[in-house]
Amino acid sequence: QQQVKQSPQSLIVQKGGISIINCAYENTAFDYFPWYQQFPGKGPALLIAIRPDVSEKKEGRFTISFNKSAKQFSLHIMDSQPGDSATYFCAARGSNDYKLSFGAGTTVTVRA
Amino acid sequence: DADVTQTPRNRITKTGKRIMLECSQTKGHDRMYWYRQDPGLGLRLIYYSFDVKDINKGEISDGYSVSRQAQAKFSLSLESAIPNQTALYFCATSDWGGSSTDTQYFGPGTRLTVL
Repeated sequence: QQQVKQSPQSLIVQKGGISIINCAYENTAFDYFPWYQQFPGKGPALLIAIRPDVSEKKEGRFTISFNKSAKQFSLHIMDSQPGDSATYFCAARGSNDYKLSFGAGTTVTVRA
Repeated sequence: DADVTQTPRNRITKTGKRIMLECSQTKGHDRMYWYRQDPGLGLRLIYYSFDVKDINKGEISDGYSVSRQAQAKFSLSLESAIPNQTALYFCATSDWGGSSTDTQYFGPGTRLTVL
């Protein structure tokens, strides 16, 4: 059973629009929440990450919003571009074993 | 050259065959991981190693074994391949930077098909 639940499975957005991907978890022992971006034929690569003592982190057009009480976090892609078309994975790291648990992934398609 | 390399990149094999997937890294990281990726299931951890003498099972280790030959090399073996092991396999490394950072660097993946 996946420890991190990710939705939606896929989304299509117009160029310039906002993409929003949501993740939820139950394990309160998670202490680090990264997002990975994967292009077809490539391995995932770290996009942005947040710790639970911060409610928001922004890097360029990418923002993580974190709600510790609700045990939810989300990725917002502002002004989406065709080059953002990729699969995005949320993840959470255990504070005891330092292993990452990944969500199922969201395939984002940005239409020009 | 790529920091994390995987060989082979593609492999087709038959049920019951033994197969080894190899991973090498030039990043100088102590920590290495093997994941498999399946549509709709994301990335699932098979085995991980925090140094040459440390090997740990992940969430789906049954049917797999690993060998950490050196800091830079971590191999994944399927002793007797079965069709439901058909998947995309990724090796990753990380350099422990304390509790606030822990970036994993992934290889390009090996697409394995078991007939």
